[in-house]
Amino acid sequence: KQEVTQIPAALSVPEGENLVLNCSFTDSAIYNLQWFRQDPGKGLTSLLLIQSSQREQTSGRLNASLDKSSGRSTLYIAASQPGDSATYLCAVIGNQFYFGTGTSLTVIP
Amino acid sequence: GAVVSQHPSRVICKSGTSVKIECRSLDFQATTMFWYRQFPKQSLMLMATSNEGSKATYEQGVEKDKFLINHASLTLSTLTVTSAHPEDSSFYICSARDLVDSNEKLFFGSGTQLSVL
Repeated sequence: KQEVTQIPAALSVPEGENLVLNCSFTDSAIYNLQWFRQDPGKGLTSLLLIQSSQREQTSGRLNASLDKSSGRSTLYIAASQPGDSATYLCAVIGNQFYFGTGTSLTVIP
Repeated sequence: GAVVSQHPSRVICKSGTSVKIECRSLDFQATTMFWYRQFPKQSLMLMATSNEGSKATYEQGVEKDKFLINHASLTLSTLTVTSAHPEDSSFYICSARDLVDSNEKLFFGSGTQLSVL
């Protein structure tokens, strides 16, 4: 069974710093990997989708990479802002969808 | 982009009553919809996969008689929590996969906060 782990579980950084969130998965037979953010009490907002044939995707200050062979993905956030504070989830998409444990990010003004 | 509407966003009910949550894909067709549950400070847990025109597939440990799922059309799936109890209080989220989107991207509803008194 696919297991998806995110490290760190929580992260606090001062505004303006660049940061990296990590997602690892045990089964490399995936179709896609998707990064989401979740604000408290809200649904999920899709950030980036990386297809299994791709290595990375970029959107604004966000860059997500995928290394299927090593079972890893990273989400890079440049020049962090207080509005980036949220929980970030990665989801591995194979025959089913498996969510990571999440990283709670706090950006301090 | 594609929109998934989930209703209601918040519901408070008495123990023993049933609650229905709707999940609609507004501008695309979805043969498959997913229902998740989230406990505070925990990750999402897939409850079931809802397939249009057929029975839902439930994850291990999820009671299918308690969480009734109906996916009667390509744009609507409903989750009914029957005889709700306080331990059913949770945040429920649905998601849908666009039928014609080969990227398999998921679109999520805004969630339903269920509180059972």
